[in-house]
Amino acid sequence: EVQLVESGGVVVQPGGSLRLSCAASGFTFDDYAMHWVRQAPGRGLEWVSLITWDGGSTYYTDSVKGRFTISRDNSKNSLSLQMNSLRAEDTALYYCAKAVAATGGLFDCWGQGTLVTVSS
Amino acid sequence: EIVMTQSPATLSVSPGERATLSCRASQIVGGNLAWYQQKPGQAPRLLIFGASTRTTGIPARFSGSGSGTEFTLTISSLQSEDFAVYSCQQYNNWPYTFGQGTKLEIK
Repeated sequence: EVQLVESGGVVVQPGGSLRLSCAASGFTFDDYAMHWVRQAPGRGLEWVSLITWDGGSTYYTDSVKGRFTISRDNSKNSLSLQMNSLRAEDTALYYCAKAVAATGGLFDCWGQGTLVTVSS
Repeated sequence: EIVMTQSPATLSVSPGERATLSCRASQIVGGNLAWYQQKPGQAPRLLIFGASTRTTGIPARFSGSGSGTEFTLTISSLQSEDFAVYSCQQYNNWPYTFGQGTKLEIK
C-alpha cells in the first residue's frame, strides 16, 4: 500500500524557517516525481513545488520561488521542503503528493498533510 | 498561469439524483484535466484523469467529459458518501493549477 507521511509543521514567526519532510513507502520511490501542494484554511488547493524522479529538475509556484527549496533522498525514500522567509500567507496544510510518472503534474496519492502556521 | 474556474461553488442535491459540476480553464489544456474528491479532514483522492478516465476503484456513477477549456464531472445517482468537495486541476502546464472547488451538499 502506498503511504506518504508528512511531518515538521509547527507554528513559526514571520521571517522564520521550517523544514517539512515526507516519508514514502509502498512504491519504488525513485521512479516517480514528487510534489508539495498546500491548502490554506477555507481555501482551495495550491500546487507549490515539483521535483523529478532523480532530483534533476525542480519547479516552484511564483509566490515561493527563492524562498522554498524542494529536495529528495532516494536512498531514504524521503522528500523535503525547506521553507525560508515565511510569510503569513504561507499558512496552510502542506500535502506531499506522488506523481503518476517520473515527471508531470498528475497526483495519484496524497499524504494526510502537516500544518504550517506563520504567526507572531 | 492557467486559471481554473469551477461552478457552482455549492451544489445542493438529494441522494439518488444526478449532480453536474463544471470546470473552465482560461487556456486550452487539451485532455490534461483531473478531478479530485476531498472529504473533511481527509486528503484529496484522484477520481478522474485525462478528463474522462476513472481511477481504479472509482464507481461507474462518476464520469468526466470535455476537452479544451470546458469540462464536466457528473455523478449519476448520488450516494451518501459522495457528498464532499470536488476540485478540478489542469496538469497540461506548470504551474499546475486547481479550481476553487465545488461543495456538493445534501439537499
